[in-house]
Amino acid sequence: EVQLVESGGGLVQPGGSLRLSCAASGFTFSSYWMHWVRQGPGKGLVWVSRINSDGSSTTYADSAKGRFTISRDNAKNTLYLQMNSLRVEDTAVYYCARVRGYSGRDFDNWGQGTLVTVSS
Amino acid sequence: QTVVTQEPSFSVSPGGTVTLTCGLSSGSVSSSHDPSWYQQTPGQAPRTLIYSINTRSSGVPDRFSGSILGNKAALTITGAQADDESDYYCLLSMGSGIYVFGGGTRLTVL
Repeated sequence: EVQLVESGGGLVQPGGSLRLSCAASGFTFSSYWMHWVRQGPGKGLVWVSRINSDGSSTTYADSAKGRFTISRDNAKNTLYLQMNSLRVEDTAVYYCARVRGYSGRDFDNWGQGTLVTVSS
Repeated sequence: QTVVTQEPSFSVSPGGTVTLTCGLSSGSVSSSHDPSWYQQTPGQAPRTLIYSINTRSSGVPDRFSGSILGNKAALTITGAQADDESDYYCLLSMGSGIYVFGGGTRLTVL
């Protein structure tokens, strides 16, 4: 069974940093492209970032570019999102998601999310 | 910046049919955008319903179907049930590894 478990969320002050993790199991993690998606309180889903299977290619939404870094450790079956210069508007539940079919353009499995709160 | 548009809310009677749409602020949705649809109930992670325009994800009832209608992607629910009351999001691939979700449609079944 595919499992994605996010962790690392919490309360951080504006301007601070946080690193989220997504532990994957039940599939060959190193073969799949992965994404981060977030959802602010009472708001819709927002795509954040994507990484290819070996970590050599990454893309970001404009809101994340220059502040967030997606990475992965295939030996540890873990996806990361390093978030720097956090803003109040980054407050959200952050989900990791697996693409369908190794490098598909949609998601077939989602984690349960981890809450990031940016507040002073 | 391209905005993906969805109806903010929709209502359908039990047993009825409803079509939710997903458009672009500029231009038309096509197969190249590889539209997919996700269902989310409050407090839960999203669930994948439809991918590649019209392919149902595993375990999704056949009352859910996807299509391209005119210049938009569409999700049709035929024979709506009470537990279809959810938020629905479309996702478009914009090319160059960039993706955009629509703002979501809150569907009420009453």
